[in-house]
Amino acid sequence: DAGVIQSPRHEVTEMGQEVTLRCKPISGHDYLFWYRQTMMRGLELLIYFNNNVPIDDSGMPEDRFSAKMPNASFSTLKIQPSEPRDSAVYFCASSLRSSGGANTQYFGPGTRLTVL
Amino acid sequence: SQQGEEDPQALSIQEGENATMNCSYKTSINNLQWYRQNSGRGLVHLILIRSNEREKHSGRLRVTLDTSKKSSSLLITASRAADTASYFCATAEVPALNFGKGTSLLVTP
Repeated sequence: DAGVIQSPRHEVTEMGQEVTLRCKPISGHDYLFWYRQTMMRGLELLIYFNNNVPIDDSGMPEDRFSAKMPNASFSTLKIQPSEPRDSAVYFCASSLRSSGGANTQYFGPGTRLTVL
Repeated sequence: SQQGEEDPQALSIQEGENATMNCSYKTSINNLQWYRQNSGRGLVHLILIRSNEREKHSGRLRVTLDTSKKSSSLLITASRAADTASYFCATAEVPALNFGKGTSLLVTP
């Protein structure tokens, strides 16, 4: 398996521009998570989906952020308009809920976003 | 919100030494997991310990869990330069995970 795939790996944009981050989860996984990592705040959960349905978006910082999962193999995280404080590494992770209740998450390589 | 908190924030040791990292958390958990992150990479799952387990081993890794003290420790024995990375504990509020800010481990030859 190719693992979780994210694109682009690096994105540099100017303040006010729209940014779209993409994620392909591991085939067969039914959960997809979006995280943001910064030095100041560490790793923050933004939103997660179960079977393509958003379950908890309480971590999404504000209305400028939106996420979709149109099918089991693709998800996007969009920031519109972007601001310098959105600069961070954004990770996508997927998991398969086990009957025992444990879930191991598999992370993509991340997208390093820089907003100038 | 972050629940796990790792200690120390940074650790520097020499190859062959053991490295111990601690994690404290605040609420009841289903399980606790440890992840490693190499510089510029995503997180990689290392080991999971369930709330009814007290100790677990995987290769050179040993994890303990004390639910009464709401704490866990990760021991890496006979460390290698390749173990240099950040290590995170994550408490499971299934299916979501809450990550701490991590311990940065440097292993020098």
